[in-house]
Amino acid sequence: KNEVEQSPQNLTAQEGEFITINCSYSVGISALHWLQQHPGGGIVSLFMLSSGKKKHGRLIATINIQEKHSSLHITASHPRDSAVYICAVVSQGRINQFYFGTGTSLTVIP
Amino acid sequence: NAGVTQTPKFQVLKTGQSMTLQCAQDMNHEYMSWYRQDPGMGLRLIHYSVGAGITDQGEVPNGYNVSRSTTEDFPLRLLSAAPSQTSVYFCASSLGASSYNEQFFGPGTRLTVL
Repeated sequence: KNEVEQSPQNLTAQEGEFITINCSYSVGISALHWLQQHPGGGIVSLFMLSSGKKKHGRLIATINIQEKHSSLHITASHPRDSAVYICAVVSQGRINQFYFGTGTSLTVIP
Repeated sequence: NAGVTQTPKFQVLKTGQSMTLQCAQDMNHEYMSWYRQDPGMGLRLIHYSVGAGITDQGEVPNGYNVSRSTTEDFPLRLLSAAPSQTSVYFCASSLGASSYNEQFFGPGTRLTVL
């Protein structure tokens, strides 16, 4: 079983396109994180959400707690956005024990 | 700040050998954890620690030991390496155990067990 499902698994876009990555989860959560894994392997945190919407530059993350769904949007995509984007949830009642999706591999073509 | 550092970056072991993956952070974070990343699977928690002297098992602890003698260091020991432990290992830290804390990841260690 996988508590976190992401779609699509792979995504190729032209530079400038608007991109959406989806994350659905099956457990009650206290928080949801979006992470970015660079081609070299390093992982950085992009957002933490417990409700609503957050924006950072060209990245926007939303969460709908009732529907157990989150989306990550990238506006005006650029080749440097090429990476694997990972959704992670923290299940209610557990101390900071994350459950991770398998990631969405994004390639942005110039 | 160096953030979270891991050594080595790459390691090849033979079945049955033991080794220690090192992890250190200089951000005075209380919470540290070890994950493994395998193709087609999400990161999975091996062990975690909420502070010096306190460790606990995660989702996949078998074959691994940890200790936390200082706030800064959280080594992961493979007792008797098996091919199933071939993976990329990430150490992470955060300010506390709250689910709202940002996690900082090390660069990873790519381990191959022959």
